Amino acid sequence: QQQVKQSPQSLIVQKGGISIINCAYENTAFDYFPWYQQFPGKGPALLIAIRPDVSEKKEGRFTISFNKSAKQFSLHIMDSQPGDSATYFCASSRGAGNEKLTFGTGTRLTIIP
Amino acid sequence: DTGVSQNPRHKITKRGQNVTFRCDPISEHNRLYWYRQTLGQGPEFLTYFQNEAQLEKSRLLSDRFSAERPKGSFSTLEIQRTEQGDSAMYLCASSLDTASEQYFGPGTRLTVT
Repeated sequence: QQQVKQSPQSLIVQKGGISIINCAYENTAFDYFPWYQQFPGKGPALLIAIRPDVSEKKEGRFTISFNKSAKQFSLHIMDSQPGDSATYFCASSRGAGNEKLTFGTGTRLTIIP
Repeated sequence: DTGVSQNPRHKITKRGQNVTFRCDPISEHNRLYWYRQTLGQGPEFLTYFQNEAQLEKSRLLSDRFSAERPKGSFSTLEIQRTEQGDSAMYLCASSLDTASEQYFGPGTRLTVT
């Protein structure tokens, strides 16, 4: 009920390309869906987040697409750069983010020149 | 630096010893969360506080683990009689209860030998 499934486990994208990471959730009570970026040895850093009342949110090169009926959401990184190489985690929570986050298993993204 | 801080950053201890970690949240953030992250996995929720009240504890949190936030500011996480399975990154996050975003600290990496 609380699981968040993330795919792919790893992703290699050419510089300038689009990176796409997908997540699916089970708990229909979830109403806040953030994405975090994590570099080795560092804590996760909040990238972008969405609520289920909108289907898309864009901030710079990062876009979240949200499909409430399918219980899926995805992160799109446009014009991917080598500095984007990191591990990305999707997460979900109830209470508009005021409760614990349930994380996916992560996607290791590598951007190659 | 006004971010979440955690100390120590690294801790190596022998099995059976007790360890204590400290988290200082972002100033005025009244919610404080503890997560644990093992290699190649997403963070897993352990417990969280609103001010000094501990509102939820994960079933993952055995009775060897205890967390406090005595004055509603910094928090400590103590692990008694450490086991090798306790080796992980312990992450702290904070938020305002009027906002969704949780901001993570750099983590404390615990190695139990």
